[in-house]
Amino acid sequence: DQQVKQNSPSLSVQEGRISILNCDYTNSMFDYFLWYKKYPAEGPTFLISISSIKDKNEDGRFTVFLNKSAKHLSLHIVPSQPGDSAVYFCAASAIFGNEKLTFGTGTRLTIIP
Amino acid sequence: DAGITQSPRHKVTETGTPVTLRCHQTENHRYMYWYRQDPGHGLRLIHYSYGVKDTDKGEVSDGYSVSRSKTEDFLLTLESATSSQTSVYFCAISETGSTEAFFGQGTRLTVV
Repeated sequence: DQQVKQNSPSLSVQEGRISILNCDYTNSMFDYFLWYKKYPAEGPTFLISISSIKDKNEDGRFTVFLNKSAKHLSLHIVPSQPGDSAVYFCAASAIFGNEKLTFGTGTRLTIIP
Repeated sequence: DAGITQSPRHKVTETGTPVTLRCHQTENHRYMYWYRQDPGHGLRLIHYSYGVKDTDKGEVSDGYSVSRSKTEDFLLTLESATSSQTSVYFCAISETGSTEAFFGQGTRLTVV
């Protein structure tokens, strides 16, 4: 039972354009969402998060959008840079009563120079 | 960077042998986790700890056990390694359990 789903295993985007990574969740108790970035042979690193009381959170080139009614979130990267090529994981948790993160399967983003 | 050290970083072991992976943190975070990463499955939780001697199972706990005798150390043991346990194992730590977690560099385990 995959509670957090990333339906696109891979995505290729031209350098300078916008990258949009998508994530869906099924558990209505989830109220905190995160994106992680992972390079080969390294551990995942935290990128950006959003609480369910907001519908948008921005940090530099990275913006996360949350649509609670659709149980959908997305990560926008603009402009995309070659260093953004990595695997991106979406994760979710329930702030109260859930002491762990549930991860999606990941999307491999490739930025084409 | 969060102070998390995993050891060993790479290990090759034979089927049926016991294996212990170690995670050490210097951040004094309450929560510690063991995940495995496999192609097509993302990061799956094996076991986690919410305090010294307090542990609970994750979604793929069969064949694994854990122990946490000190705040800073979380051990993952494969009692009798199988080829299906060939994977990359990540330790993570968190202050709150439900917000940001910080990951170690990973341990690549191969069971032959």
